[in-house]
Amino acid sequence: GESVGLHLPTLSVQEGDNSIINCAYSNSASDYFIWYKQESGKGPQFIIDIRSNMDKRQGQRVTVLLNKTVKHLSLQIAATQPGDSAVYFCAEDTGNQFYFGTGTSLTVIP
Amino acid sequence: NAGVTQTPKFQVLKTGQSMTLQCAQDMNHEYMSWYRQDPGMGLRLIHYSVGAGITDQGEVPNGYNVSRSTTEDFPLRLLSAAPSQTSVYFCASSYSMGLGGTGELFFGEGSRLTVL
Repeated sequence: GESVGLHLPTLSVQEGDNSIINCAYSNSASDYFIWYKQESGKGPQFIIDIRSNMDKRQGQRVTVLLNKTVKHLSLQIAATQPGDSAVYFCAEDTGNQFYFGTGTSLTVIP
Repeated sequence: NAGVTQTPKFQVLKTGQSMTLQCAQDMNHEYMSWYRQDPGMGLRLIHYSVGAGITDQGEVPNGYNVSRSTTEDFPLRLLSAAPSQTSVYFCASSYSMGLGGTGELFFGEGSRLTVL
């Protein structure tokens, strides 16, 4: 089966600092990737996506970088806020199925 | 719009009992899916459907059945619950999947199932 893995299970950052969350994927044929945020007791929520014909995409305070050569994704959060504390998942779309990573827990220290 | 609605939110079963987790969406999405979330395992796909009358297996389908008689509803059935099925279950829907689609999955709030 597919595997999507995250390099670090937990990340703590000071409020106002930038956060970087990494993700490795294994299927070189995957052409669409999404980052999700999951707050405690809730379902995952879409943050940002990127297609394989791009290497960077920016949203509001978030940037996703895609390196197809090494099959690596990263999510950058600028000026991290307490409300950003959550578990972050990357997911790869292999057609009709999304494969999710195990998640990185981000804690923002006030 | 309510989005994706799952019921029940919490359920305790005894081994061997059966039950159905309900999922409904009011966004006219063709694609619906069920995931289970276990600690340290991320989200794993159980079953999915690309439209009414069409279902297919995901990564971990054993012990679960689904049907899709309408666009709105996608129930997940556990025929004979086992302790290994203790998990949090998420239903998700999308307007479309794959190339050309937005791909964004909209998730319900989850159903926490404990099998004793």
